[in-house]
Amino acid sequence: AQSVTQLDSQVPVFEEAPVELRCNYSSSVSVYLFWYVQYPNQGLQLLLKYLSGSTLVKGINGFEAEFNKSQTSFHLRKPSVHISDTAEYFCAVSPLIHGSGNTGKLIFGQGTTLQVKP
Amino acid sequence: EAGVAQSPRYKIIEKRQSVAFWCNPISGHATLYWYQQILGQGPKLLIQFQNNGVVDDSQLPKDRFSAERLKGVDSTLKIQPAKLEDSAVYLCASSLIRGSGTGELFFGEGSRLTVL
Repeated sequence: AQSVTQLDSQVPVFEEAPVELRCNYSSSVSVYLFWYVQYPNQGLQLLLKYLSGSTLVKGINGFEAEFNKSQTSFHLRKPSVHISDTAEYFCAVSPLIHGSGNTGKLIFGQGTTLQVKP
Repeated sequence: EAGVAQSPRYKIIEKRQSVAFWCNPISGHATLYWYQQILGQGPKLLIQFQNNGVVDDSQLPKDRFSAERLKGVDSTLKIQPAKLEDSAVYLCASSLIRGSGTGELFFGEGSRLTVL
């Protein structure tokens, strides 16, 4: 079974400051890793994903994340946030089945609310 | 390219009533998912279809929830009878095909259900 833990439920930060949203996961099989963003009253939008290769992945809107296999973490970072980054952020994993690829389904964390203040 | 379409966006019903949600995935996407997102929580998978067959419905409360995807395109999720704890946003998502590609899911805007 898989589980995802987002270590902070809310992260308040001032505009133009750096931010890190933390995500740890647990899985008995290999996984793909994702970060999604949800703006108020909207669906989820993909920020970035890690499939393989370089452990530092870059996404949209200046976000990046680093995969750490030994710590089973996938923390999201941005060097300078804007007011428009205020949203709910979800970390998710997709388990892989040997010989069949990814299962397609996503297991989500509880979400982290990023509040950017002027 | 059109995204995932869902309707209705909002629905308010009394407990023990029934409700149905509709989803039209992105054209050409073989895999369709229904997720339940309770306020303050991450989305939880209810059911996953590959074309018109069910791949995973292990977390679907089958005594009250049902879903179908008859022609491998549109899907309907039904709740009957509804309970207070069913108040949530129901998200539909689609992807190209299970087992290949990047695993990215594309989400609709969701249908918000309030049960009184």
